[in-house]
Formats: sequence, structure tokens, C-alpha cells
Amino acid sequence: QKEVEQDPGPLSVPEGAIVSLNCTYSNSAFQYFMWYRQYSRKGPELLMYTYSSGNKEDGRFTAQVDKSSKYISLFIRDSQPSDSATYLCASFRIQGAQKLVFGQGTRLTINP
Amino acid sequence: DVKVTQSSRYLVKRTGEKVFLECVQDMDHENMFWYRQDPGLGLRLIYFSYDVKMKEKGDIPEGYSVSREKKERFSLILESASTNQTSMYLCASSLQLTDTQYFGPGTRLTVL
Repeated sequence: QKEVEQDPGPLSVPEGAIVSLNCTYSNSAFQYFMWYRQYSRKGPELLMYTYSSGNKEDGRFTAQVDKSSKYISLFIRDSQPSDSATYLCASFRIQGAQKLVFGQGTRLTINP
Repeated sequence: DVKVTQSSRYLVKRTGEKVFLECVQDMDHENMFWYRQDPGLGLRLIYFSYDVKMKEKGDIPEGYSVSREKKERFSLILESASTNQTSMYLCASSLQLTDTQYFGPGTRLTVL
């Protein structure tokens, strides 16, 4: 079982829809949570970074962490075609081999 | 702005060849990372380095080695390329281990 699990999709929604992307992680050794966005033929870039449970909002994007259920979510409001990309969740493991662990990535397409 | 550059965008090599992938960052970051990205598997850490001449194995170090002789440069070496090393290779850097990782554009390596 992967330490950070993410549905790879693909996910296709109409423009303007609310998008929900989700990940789960395996245990409490994970303490920092990130979402990266990767456009085709580019490297990933950080979209959101949260340290603790709760919500963090940045424009049309909201990252949510629920440590009790080990669940990480990214919501995109008023989705645009320019949001079409692969979204990768990631979490930093602070115990044992300390490193950033990525989910498989979800490929998202927003249709005009 | 942090910039991470990789020596090649596309590379085609033959089985058994020695392959060098170079990565350079311009922000004086302590940590540098090499990942490979494959469909359905996400990003997997090959090696990382937390200081000059220091290296740590990631999840899939077999068949790879690394070199960090200068702070800004981190090289990935495939000693004897094999077809199962055909992949997208991504380099990243960060100031602290838990900080944002900044990625290069990737090198798509094909081993024939």
C-alpha cells in the first residue's frame, strides 16, 4: 500500500464547476501537506502548503487537511480551462526516513 | 525567482550506455533531489543530497548513482542504462527539507 494514495483519474469537468481532488495518507508520521500542479511537459510547481488541520484558501483554491481521518483535499472553485493539469498531493514524513512522499497525481481537464 | 535547470529536455540512449543527467539551481539551496515520474506511479525519489558531497538513497536507487561536487549542481548517473530506466527524470531543490521543492522542467529519457 502506498503511503500517500491519490486517485489518478483522469477527471474531466465543465468550465465553472467546483473540482474536488483528494488524497489519503497512511499514518501520523506525515505532518506537512502540499499540492503541486504540473502542466504538460513542465515540472511540478507548488500550489498550496499547509502545516496543520483545517482549511487554507488562496483565490479560487482551498486546501483542506483532516488529520483525524488522514485525508487531504484540494477544491477549485469556478474552474477554468487553464486549470487543466496534473495535480499531485504530497506530504512530508517526519519520522524514520524523512522525505516528501507524493501521491500518483490526478490528471484534470476543464472543458470550455 | 528560483531557477532549476536540467541539461537536456529529451535524451535517447542505447542499452548499456553510461548516462549523465545534470541539474543546476541558482538559489543556494542546501537540498537537491532526483525523482523519476512514471504513469500511475507518480514521483519516486531516487536520491537526494543535503550538502556538498553528501547523498542519501531514496526509494529506488538501484541502477543509479549521484554526484554533488558543488552546491549548485547535482548529477544523476545511470551506470549502464536499461530499457526499464526509460522515464521522465525531475530534479528539485529546497532550502530546508520540509520547505517547498522547486522543480526543473524534466528530462525525458528513452533507452532503446
